[in-house]
This record gives sequence, structure tokens and C-alpha cells, in this order.
Amino acid sequence: GQQLNQSPQSMFIQEGEDVSMNCTSSSIFNTWLWYKQDPGEGPVLLIALYKAGELTSNGRLTAQFGITRKDSFLNISASIPSDVGIYFCAGLNYGGATNKLIFGTGTLLAVQP
Amino acid sequence: DSGVTQTPKHLITATGQRVTLRCSPRSGDLSVYWYQQSLDQGLQFLIQYYNGEERAKGNILERFSAQQFPDLHSELNLSSLELGDSALYFCASSPQGYGNTIYFGEGSWLTVV
Repeated sequence: GQQLNQSPQSMFIQEGEDVSMNCTSSSIFNTWLWYKQDPGEGPVLLIALYKAGELTSNGRLTAQFGITRKDSFLNISASIPSDVGIYFCAGLNYGGATNKLIFGTGTLLAVQP
Repeated sequence: DSGVTQTPKHLITATGQRVTLRCSPRSGDLSVYWYQQSLDQGLQFLIQYYNGEERAKGNILERFSAQQFPDLHSELNLSSLELGDSALYFCASSPQGYGNTIYFGEGSWLTVV
């Protein structure tokens, strides 16, 4: 099945460090979403982006919708242990008949206290 | 808590068997989606229902089927199970058939032995 390219695959950082991850696609999306998944849980929506170039923040999280509409970036500032989990980007073309999300391959984040 | 409820949380069954996974969407949501998460394929869209009707199909095998009932809950039926069907199956819901955000349940862990 189709997946978006997400990098890095994993990150092991110290508490307090900033984190950056990105997601690229060969096709255009008009919506980018970022999800976090904790072990044994479903993905939880963190940030939604609707316009090319848009920069949106949610607490210590900031995400950007790439100008080309083929990529997106997520930054986490001053990481804390509870940031541990897998982060997924997802692309979506809403306005059509369906809400088919295409997910990225995921970035595993580990934070050392 | 996303408001999407899935049962059972865990299920172990033998090859060749059939199982049914159940999903109750968030209150007021008309659309239900099923996703499969496995180590090798990541998060993959299976099928979407909107107000009782099938809206879109993704990478759903012919051995799998789903339906959405008048009370808007949905069931995913998996038959002739194979070892490779072992995965996390997520249900998600959204208010409409299209739009911006989708909320995931906690998933049903299926292990086929």
C-alpha cells in the first residue's frame, strides 16, 4: 500500500532538546495531519494544516505545510519524557468523496530523562 | 479518549477462522473508517462507510468485509484468517464523508496463530 516517506525513522534524544521530523510525498495533498501514537493506543491527532505555507502551533509542537504541497514538517521544542511515541504524518485530499488518509512510515521518538 | 469505541481490544484466533471487530463512532459522526496497522505495511486504509453506505475502498482483501448499521456502528468481518492478518485494526470516525479530521479508536489487536 501507499505510504509517505517520513524521516528520520527514529530519534533518541535528551530531555530538553528540540526535535524535527519531516514527511514527503510524490503527490500533492490539500491537507496535512500529524498524529502521535502511544504503545497500545490509536493515533491521536496533534495538528492539522490546510493551506500551503501554513505554520500552526499546538503548545510545544509546530508544524508547517510545505509550499509545494508535497511535504510537511513537525518540530517539538524542549522535549519531555511524555513526548515518547511514534509520530505519523498523513496526507489527505478532502473535498472529494472520501477521507482517505495516506500515512507516513512513522518516526519513533525516544526521550532520555 | 477520542470517543471512538472498539471491541474487542485483543483477540487470538486460529488460521482459517472468522472474526468480527466492532466499532462505535463518536456521537454524531456519520462516517466510519477501518485501518490496518502492521509492521511491514504501516497504517493502511481498508474501507470507509458514510451513513450506512460504502463510500471508498482501500487495500481491503476479498476475505474481509464490513458494514455500517442504521445506528451507525460498524463491523469489520475477517474470514479465512491467515497468519499475515495479524495486526492492529483501527476504526476511525468523522462527522461527514469528507473533511478535515478523523479520530481513531484504540484499536483491536488480532493475533492469528
